[in-house]
Amino acid sequence: DIVMTQTPLSSPVTLGQPASISCRSTQSLVHSDGNTYLSWLQQRPGQPPRVLIYKISNRLSGVPDRFSGSGAGTEFTLKISRVEAEDVGVYYCMQAKQIPHTFGGGTTVEIK
Amino acid sequence: QVQLVESGGGVVQPGRSLRLSCVASGFTFSDYSMHWVRQAAGKGLDWVAVISYHGTNKYYADSVKGRFTISRDNSENTLYLQMNSLKGEDTGVYYCARGPSADYWGQGTLITVSS
Repeated sequence: DIVMTQTPLSSPVTLGQPASISCRSTQSLVHSDGNTYLSWLQQRPGQPPRVLIYKISNRLSGVPDRFSGSGAGTEFTLKISRVEAEDVGVYYCMQAKQIPHTFGGGTTVEIK
Repeated sequence: QVQLVESGGGVVQPGRSLRLSCVASGFTFSDYSMHWVRQAAGKGLDWVAVISYHGTNKYYADSVKGRFTISRDNSENTLYLQMNSLKGEDTGVYYCARGPSADYWGQGTLITVSS
């Protein structure tokens, strides 16, 4: 199975300041179809997860443009350009290259 | 818009069975594979199973293989998860998600396995 490792575990951020989360996979997430199946999910307190970004850097409809994804191969990053109060929650990276899909352990974004 | 609505959760004794359902709308259900993912309270996300768009191919996490069965009815836009021989460690919220990349998730249904 592909293991996904996220850092940091927790990210206290001042409102309006940027935040960054890293995700590393134990093998390349480049599929034979040429796509890289790395997604970022947000889970607000008491809510189900929702996908923010898929295939490294594509924002799902309705996701604010302060969220951006980058990376390649086995190293990926989610950036929030200016953290807002509604961004508080746990963020997960997920690989959908192969079965079983696997998730990072999660990064908690909280306001300082 | 894409909507996934799970149901069927509840409290069940160890060793018993339960069937979950997920009704899809807002997209052509028969065009997509579908996943089940679960989450124990206060824990991370744990992939459970996936079924191909036509229902022929099914894959399971090792932890549920032989006990859970994923299925679908494309005429009813519904995904199922039959869970047998339930254990305490199966307790959690179960989400269905649209494949292949699990881009849309439902609200989840809570399963509690306890005597």
